[in-house]
Amino acid sequence: EPEVTQTPSHQVTQMGQEVILRCVPISNHLYFYWYRQILGQKVEFLVSFYNNEISEKSEIFDDQFSVERPDGSNFTLKIRSTKLEDSAMYFCASKIGQGSGYTFGSGTRLTVV
Amino acid sequence: RKEVEQDPGPFNVPEGATVAFNCTYSNSASQSFFWYRQDCRKEPKLLMSVYSSGNEDGRFTAQLNRASQYISLLIRDSKLSDSATYLCVVNPNNNAGNMLTFGGGTRLMVKP
Repeated sequence: EPEVTQTPSHQVTQMGQEVILRCVPISNHLYFYWYRQILGQKVEFLVSFYNNEISEKSEIFDDQFSVERPDGSNFTLKIRSTKLEDSAMYFCASKIGQGSGYTFGSGTRLTVV
Repeated sequence: RKEVEQDPGPFNVPEGATVAFNCTYSNSASQSFFWYRQDCRKEPKLLMSVYSSGNEDGRFTAQLNRASQYISLLIRDSKLSDSATYLCVVNPNNNAGNMLTFGGGTRLMVKP
């Protein structure tokens, strides 16, 4: 069964450092997403990406965040200057079309120290 | 009012029991509704979509009441492997982004 692959599975970084979280969506999918889940809290939407541009973003997705799909395969989330409160599980997801369901990746656990 | 509200539980039930979870959503224009399952420290996985007419998938039955903005999930004949957190998920609009709004989840523990 096709999978959404995320790397690394766990990243520890110092406050103020830049991090890049990587995702390889399912190859024929057209819609891409980042969500995050702070430990013990609900899953929260960050950003959606379609046709090489951001289609929606939440209030969480401020100027410190950016996304890229540089090569038609990878879909990355960059946090420019990490804060302690960015510590969370970050899930990438993709879907083939508007009416279809999402497939989530297994997540990257980001710990900011 | 929270966008998607669920009783966090936990619901502790014996194997074989029937258990029901409820969820309410605040945006009356919401278009699509889902139940996801999340195991501890894992990604959410789609359990089933929820249709206005109600739908069933094996031991799982989902119902939607648009007038009351209420969604339910019924699990019959609970198995130990059903132990997980069940997430009520709503697509609040029908634009190209199709973002999902998650409830906080209801934790189910099925005991032998």
